[in-house]
Amino acid sequence: DGGITQSPKYLFRKEGQNVTLSCEQNLNHDAMYWYRQDPGQGLRLIYYSQIVNDFQKGDIAEGYSVSREKKESFPLTVTSAQKNPTAFYLCASSPTGQAKGGYTFGSGTRLTVV
Amino acid sequence: AQSVTQLDSHVSVSEGTPVLLRCNYSSSYSPSLFWYVQHPNKGLQLLLKYTSAATLVKGINGFEAEFKKSETSFHLTKPSAHMSDAAEYFCVVRGGNTPLVFGKGTRLSVIA
Repeated sequence: DGGITQSPKYLFRKEGQNVTLSCEQNLNHDAMYWYRQDPGQGLRLIYYSQIVNDFQKGDIAEGYSVSREKKESFPLTVTSAQKNPTAFYLCASSPTGQAKGGYTFGSGTRLTVV
Repeated sequence: AQSVTQLDSHVSVSEGTPVLLRCNYSSSYSPSLFWYVQHPNKGLQLLLKYTSAATLVKGINGFEAEFKKSETSFHLTKPSAHMSDAAEYFCVVRGGNTPLVFGKGTRLSVIA
């Protein structure tokens, strides 16, 4: 079955460390997205990519970095510059940037800073 | 620019009674509108979408929503709530070639 796989499901990080969240899709979608979810704040866009080797900042990109070297993969790195990284992170994809049909979401990674 | 306002952060209903989750939107373009549902610690599932066809949109699990341009609203309804409907619901807008913009969510509780 086609879908989006996020790993790991739970991740713990010490303060000052970088950590990378994985997102892989086998839907042959061109566009991929990273959102951060905090209680009562909905989903906020971190980065998105509409094509391989190209990506754009979203509303809260500071302290995060991404790469898009392959169509099926869009890893997110949470750097030590991110002051409050504890959150639920969701990856999504759509066939194109038009996304008239909405997005397909992964099941998320919960990151906790300890 | 696009934005979404979900008018209630929490709605509580009794099982078997109607559900109404309210959403107002703002968009510079002719918008596409969506409702997503999220169960605890899960990803989001698409309930229904409006993309400039019929204004009354039917989705999965008995949910429907009506697009009202004059009121800039896209409220989600269901005639009879079930315990399994308890979840977080997000109203979402898209205009032009921009990423989806999410509301802050409405938590639906269903009381037995």
